[in-house]
Order: sequence, then structure tokens, then C-alpha cells
Amino acid sequence: QQPVQSPQAVILREGEDAVINCSSSKALYSVHWYRQKHGEAPVFLMILLKGGEQKGHEKISASFNEKKQQSSLYLTASQLSYSGTYFCGTEKVTGGTSYGKLTFGQGTILTVHP
Amino acid sequence: DGGITQSPKYLFRKEGQNVTLSCEQNLNHDAMYWYRQDPGQGLRLIYYSQIVNDFQKGDIAEGYSVSREKKESFPLTVTSAQKNPTAFYLCASSSVIYNQPQHFGDGTRLSIL
Repeated sequence: QQPVQSPQAVILREGEDAVINCSSSKALYSVHWYRQKHGEAPVFLMILLKGGEQKGHEKISASFNEKKQQSSLYLTASQLSYSGTYFCGTEKVTGGTSYGKLTFGQGTILTVHP
Repeated sequence: DGGITQSPKYLFRKEGQNVTLSCEQNLNHDAMYWYRQDPGQGLRLIYYSQIVNDFQKGDIAEGYSVSREKKESFPLTVTSAQKNPTAFYLCASSSVIYNQPQHFGDGTRLSIL
């Protein structure tokens, strides 16, 4: 099943913070986060592994709660360049060779205004 | 510079026609993927391949076909059996090791004439 992202859309002013959530009903091995500008290719942000590891990339960080099968993406002190659609991609726990096979959420549209 | 090249950028299909979308990568990745993206929606997996001469259906494979004769190339054919082909198609590649990011091409936008 497709992971569920919330909220569907966020509008911010520069400097404000935002949190985007990604929830799955399946046991997850990892969660990937990507950002896509309109009409462009998605760009990789980070991968979160099961174990609750938190990662950061400049002012964007994320966490993964294995028990809840939920990942959250934190954007702090937002900049205009943060605008775009954010997707989570989840990789299920399997014993086979389907590694790398991601199921993407429906996306969260983030708009940052001056 | 290494990357993924998709061509053409825009493609138009007539009713009953098959069209082929090209995807080439020079990242030396073993795995390649095709996704379909509809307006306001996420990416849905059409086909993926983890090794040359082998590929698996994704979630929405009906009406599509692929081949993987070379490591660098993973073309997607949209057949006439795909009744609603208008969409943005994205090709991606990754290393076949756990926890590796997928690298995406710039996409092909397919429309029906």
C-alpha cells in the first residue's frame, strides 16, 4: 500500500518551520525523502533506516519511528528554495531481492513566500 | 558528468500507436526503474530491473513493456493497450545495495493527439 503523507499542502513565510509526516501500514526497512520542483525530476534528500536514526541536511532533518512505521521531515528556518513537492518513498521489509523497490506517498506541496 | 538521460522531453501519441521512451544512464548502476506521475499524484512504479536481461512488473505494468539488453539502457514502450497514457514518465537508477538513493532523469511528458 501507498504510504500516507500529511499534510497535503503547507504554506509558509520565509524563516518559518514545517513538519511533513509519512505513515505506512507495513513494516519498513527504510524511508527515502525527495523534493520535486514543478516539471523537474525529484531530487534525493536523505534516507532513514529503521532504528530511529535521525539525519540532517543543512536545515532539513528527518526521523524514523520504527514502532509507528512513521517518518517525519523537519524543515527549519525555511527558504524560498524549499518550495516544491516533497515525497516519501518507503522500502518494505522483505527477505527477497526487491531492495530498492520504493512505494511513494502522494506528496506534500510546500510553498514558501517572502 | 554521470547522470540519466531521458528522451524525448515531449512526445505525442496517436490512437492505436505504440511509442518508446528512451532512458540511458552512465552511473554504472545495476538497477533501473520506470515511474508514471499523474498531476497532483505521487510516483507509481511501472517496471524495474535489477540486472541485465531481467525485469519485474511494478504496480501498474498493464499496457507497458520494457527491455534490458544493456546495463546502461532501459527503454519503455507504451503500447496501444494503455488506454490512458497521458502522464509524466520518470526513469531512475540506483545501486543494488540496500539504502542507496535513486537518481532520476528529467522525464518525458507524453500526450495523446
